Amino acid sequence: DIQMTQSPSSLSASVGDRVIITCRASQDIGNFLAWYQQKPGKVPVLLVYAASTLQSGAPSRFSGSGSGTDFTLTISGLQPEDVATYYCQKYNSDLTFGPGTKLEIK
Amino acid sequence: EVQLVESGGDLVQPGGTLKLACVASGFTFSGYWMGWVRQAPGEGLEWVANIRQDGSDKKYVDSVKGRFTISRDNPKNSLFLQMNSLRVEDTAVYYCARDSKTKGFDFWGQGTLVTVSS
Repeated sequence: DIQMTQSPSSLSASVGDRVIITCRASQDIGNFLAWYQQKPGKVPVLLVYAASTLQSGAPSRFSGSGSGTDFTLTISGLQPEDVATYYCQKYNSDLTFGPGTKLEIK
Repeated sequence: EVQLVESGGDLVQPGGTLKLACVASGFTFSGYWMGWVRQAPGEGLEWVANIRQDGSDKKYVDSVKGRFTISRDNPKNSLFLQMNSLRVEDTAVYYCARDSKTKGFDFWGQGTLVTVSS
């Protein structure tokens, strides 16, 4: 089975900062990679799919990149409302999620 | 507007059974794979199962194989998860989600809480 890892597991950043979250697959998954945002007490929301395509309605400060085994989610200009846990997920066969990255504001 | 509404969550004893349901609206239900995702208290997301449009293909995470069964009723726009031999570690909020094969899970329900405890 393909395993998904994320780093860091948590981070604290200041408003306006550029934040980068990394996701790694244990085998090549092409670009079958999605990113989700889950705010505290809320339902997960799809942010990015196909590794780099922004889902309709997602703020343009979010962007994704990568292919194969290494992927990143970048927030360009962190906002207070971005406090959340971010999950990556592979969806080329089974639908394994990464363990999540908890983002807080300094 | 796409809506997914789950029901059926409850408190059940270890070894017990429970059936979750999800009613969909706002899209052509029969045109999409559908799935269940769970989240244990304070933990991350875990994909549980998904099912092809016509029900002919079903996939499960290893931890529920042989105990859980996913099914659907397309005329009733409904998705189900039959859960047998429940364990304490199955305690979680269970989300119904639309499985867009090109995007991942693009719409989610609000979730239903399953608690397995004696």
